[in-house]
Amino acid sequence: GAGVSQTPSNKVTEKGKYVELRCDPISGHTALYWYRQSLGQGPEFLIYFQGTGAADDSGLPNDRFFAVRPEGSVSTLKIQRTERGDSAVYLCASSEVAIDTQYFGPGTRLTVL
Amino acid sequence: AQTVTQSQPEMSVQEAETVTLSCTYDTSESDYYLFWYKQPPSRQMILVIRQEAYKQQNATENRFSVNFQKAAKSFSLKISDSQLGDAAMYFCAYRSAGLYNTDKLIFGTGTRLQVFP
Repeated sequence: GAGVSQTPSNKVTEKGKYVELRCDPISGHTALYWYRQSLGQGPEFLIYFQGTGAADDSGLPNDRFFAVRPEGSVSTLKIQRTERGDSAVYLCASSEVAIDTQYFGPGTRLTVL
Repeated sequence: AQTVTQSQPEMSVQEAETVTLSCTYDTSESDYYLFWYKQPPSRQMILVIRQEAYKQQNATENRFSVNFQKAAKSFSLKISDSQLGDAAMYFCAYRSAGLYNTDKLIFGTGTRLQVFP
């Protein structure tokens, strides 16, 4: 089927606002990953879901960041009280099982003014 | 902790020529995977090639091949017969293969490849 999709493609918000970023993985993929890519850098791991549960959230920078995957498919990354330093491209990836190749979505570019 | 280093911020090559992108990594693990991903301006990361550390044979995918030197912890990517469409950012990435790891990818900082006609 279709690849990993992410919405919105771009999001501009003001400092202090709340944002939600959505990821639709490839159908049937049980593993889902979120990464953050700052300008001029490689992606950095944020959180990993196996099914509905967050198996590893060690990459979340602070408690303003939270992610859910309630039905084991779509995932939402939530950022509270956004700061200018949160500006980056947020990438989502999925794989059929955890050890398989990760397939990436096109990312959401978040800009915090 | 594992790290990945790409020491070439930018590289350039003429169309039809060959170019090699460098990557080194640091790990104390014996079993792992290494990857090269391509990221065009569209932002979508595309898998170019994958290497399992337990395999001595270097991986090859059409015009793309790697030189995997496990003892030296080096993993370079060779692109033969370069095409204009190869122009992109290239990222080297590492992933643990242990039973209890989370399979997250650890990326280098990338190399921007320009291809000139």
